[in-house]
Amino acid sequence: NAGVTQTPKFQVLKTGQSMTLQCAQDMNHNSMYWYRQDPGMGLRLIYYSASEGTTDKGEVPNGYNVSRLNKREFSLRLESAAPSQTSVYFCASSRRGRNYEQYFGPGTRLTVT
Amino acid sequence: GDSVTQMEGPVTLSEEAFLTINCTYTATGYPSLFWYVQYPGEGLQLLLKATKADDKGSNKGFEATYRKETTSFHLEKGSVQVSDSAVYFCARRANDHDDKIIFGKGTRLHILP
Repeated sequence: NAGVTQTPKFQVLKTGQSMTLQCAQDMNHNSMYWYRQDPGMGLRLIYYSASEGTTDKGEVPNGYNVSRLNKREFSLRLESAAPSQTSVYFCASSRRGRNYEQYFGPGTRLTVT
Repeated sequence: GDSVTQMEGPVTLSEEAFLTINCTYTATGYPSLFWYVQYPGEGLQLLLKATKADDKGSNKGFEATYRKETTSFHLEKGSVQVSDSAVYFCARRANDHDDKIIFGKGTRLHILP
C-alpha cells in the first residue's frame, strides 16, 4: 500500500495564479482531510470530507475549494493564490469511528510570491 | 473552547536523558487522545493513542497515560536517542459526531549526541 499520496511536493505560484493540490489514498478510508501547517500555528483544518460527495468547512476554509472526486481522491484548489497561503499542506485520511487515527501524506510545500 | 495545550519548545536534551512533554486538554466527555510525531520533511505519523480514561498508550519506548482527573496525556520516554529528534503533536478527538481531530501546536525536540 502506498498509503496517502500527494502531488506536487513543491510548488511556487505568483499572486493570483490558481492551482490544484491532489491527494489520493488506497486504504479504503471514508474520511479525508486537508490541513495547512504554519510555524507556531500547528495544524489547522481547511476542509473535511466524511464520504464521497460530502465536504465540510474546517477552521480556515477561506480562499480554498475542495472536491471529493471519489472515495480515493480529495483535491484542494486555490482559485487565486495569495502570499498568506504560503504554507505546507497535508492531506490525511481515516476510517470512520471515534478511536481511529488519521494517516498523513508527505505534504506539499507551497510558496506564493 | 475545547482545545489541546502542549508545552512550548524547542526542548533540547542530551542522548539517554529522560523526556517528558506535557499535554493537557479541555473537553466535554472523554475523547480519544493521540500523540503524533513529525520527522523532518515528512508528514505526521501516529506514535501512540489511548481511547479511554486510565489507558496507557506505548510505542517505540514512548508512553502516555490518559489521566481524566488532571485532563492530561503527557508523553514520556526513559532514554532518548538522537533519532527521536522531531516535532511531537498532542491531539484529541474533536467530538462524537465526526472524525475530526484537534491538534496542539507541536513541540520540537532536539537530542544532542
